[in-house]
Amino acid sequence: NAGVMQNPRHLVRRRGQEARLRCSPMKGHSHVYWYRQLPEEGLKFMVYLQKENIIDESGMPKERFSAEFPKEGPSILRIQQVVRGDSAAYFCASSPKRGGSYNEQFFGPGTRLTVL
Amino acid sequence: SQQGEEDPQALSIQEGENATMNCSYKTSINNLQWYRQNSGRGLVHLILIRSNEREKHSGRLRVTLDTSKKSSSLLITASRAADTASYFCATDPTISNTGKLIFGQGTTLQVKP
Repeated sequence: NAGVMQNPRHLVRRRGQEARLRCSPMKGHSHVYWYRQLPEEGLKFMVYLQKENIIDESGMPKERFSAEFPKEGPSILRIQQVVRGDSAAYFCASSPKRGGSYNEQFFGPGTRLTVL
Repeated sequence: SQQGEEDPQALSIQEGENATMNCSYKTSINNLQWYRQNSGRGLVHLILIRSNEREKHSGRLRVTLDTSKKSSSLLITASRAADTASYFCATDPTISNTGKLIFGQGTTLQVKP
């Protein structure tokens, strides 16, 4: 059973370009969470999705960031017109359940975004 | 403000010694989870402890949870050089109802051979 997969592992973009980060959850998991980790900091929640639905996007910046989890295919985190401050590691986690006492989340290896 | 705060921020010990890391949080939780992150890598899930549990063991790891003090501790016994990593606690607040995790800043552990 493959774990959570993220690609690319490293992504370099110039200011103003778009970044697309992909996440394939573990088999059987329909709940996906995205987190961002700035250098020397802990992870910060961005968005929580189920198939075809955004459930909680309270951690997403209001502009330039969007996320989707289509019926088929991976979850996508999209950053438009990237700026240097977007440079960070972006982690995806999946879970078989939503919330509650048994919500163990399994993390992918992350995508490290560098904006030049 | 931080939901989870770890203490100490950095810890350096000799191989074979025990390492204790503490985590404090502010709001009521469904569960608390500990993760390990090696430098530049992803997170590895270590232990999940539910709000109605007080202690949990997994190999050389022991986690305690005191909901009255809103704190948890992670004990690594007989440490090894391979335990060198950053350790994060993460809480699942009852108020959110979405399962999103709130992470602390982490404790950086160095185990010297």
